[in-house]
Amino acid sequence: NAGVTQTPKFRVLKTGQSMTLLCAQDMNHEYMYWYRQDPGMGLRLIHYSVGEGTTAKGEVPDGYNVSRLKKQNFLLGLESAAPSQTSVYFCASKGQGYNEQFFGPGTRLTVL
Amino acid sequence: GENVEQHPSTLSVQEGDSAVIKCTYSDSASNYFPWYKQELGKGPQLIIDIRSNVGEKKDQRIAVTLNKTAKHFSLHITETQPEDSAVYFCAASWGNSNYQLIWGAGTKLIIKP
Repeated sequence: NAGVTQTPKFRVLKTGQSMTLLCAQDMNHEYMYWYRQDPGMGLRLIHYSVGEGTTAKGEVPDGYNVSRLKKQNFLLGLESAAPSQTSVYFCASKGQGYNEQFFGPGTRLTVL
Repeated sequence: GENVEQHPSTLSVQEGDSAVIKCTYSDSASNYFPWYKQELGKGPQLIIDIRSNVGEKKDQRIAVTLNKTAKHFSLHITETQPEDSAVYFCAASWGNSNYQLIWGAGTKLIIKP
């Protein structure tokens, strides 16, 4: 099992460009999450999903959109990137009835 | 909403000594408190967790204690080893939801040889 994978690992964007981060999990987990990690601020929840076809806002959703068309995939979109979105993005998944969140390796995004 | 504060931000201990990291939370409805370890270049990984109906939990060299009255919980690592060097995050379930977590800011633990 690959667990949770994220694509791409690194990306540099110019202000105003758009991009999509892909998260895939092969553990048949119901819950999936997108976090951003900034120095000294821990992990902040952007959006999450409790099942295929559902999404919900987390703590810091502005400037991001998500989709969960398939149970195993959770996409994070930036429509018009801003320098404030420079961060490391982590995807995580969790099974129904379990507490542990399993994390991907992260995507380092720089917006110039 | 829930707020989790974590201290210290950096902790340096001699190899073989103990390390303690503390977190406080604000929402008395929170009932699940995990600790994650993040090694350089990787995503966080769960190392131990505790529910609000338990005061202490131990797993080999690591333990977590919970004080519900004071709304704080701590991670204890004994006999520290070089591989314990990492960033440690505490978290608390948000309100009555056990599928959303609010995270502390992290503690960088440095083990000195």
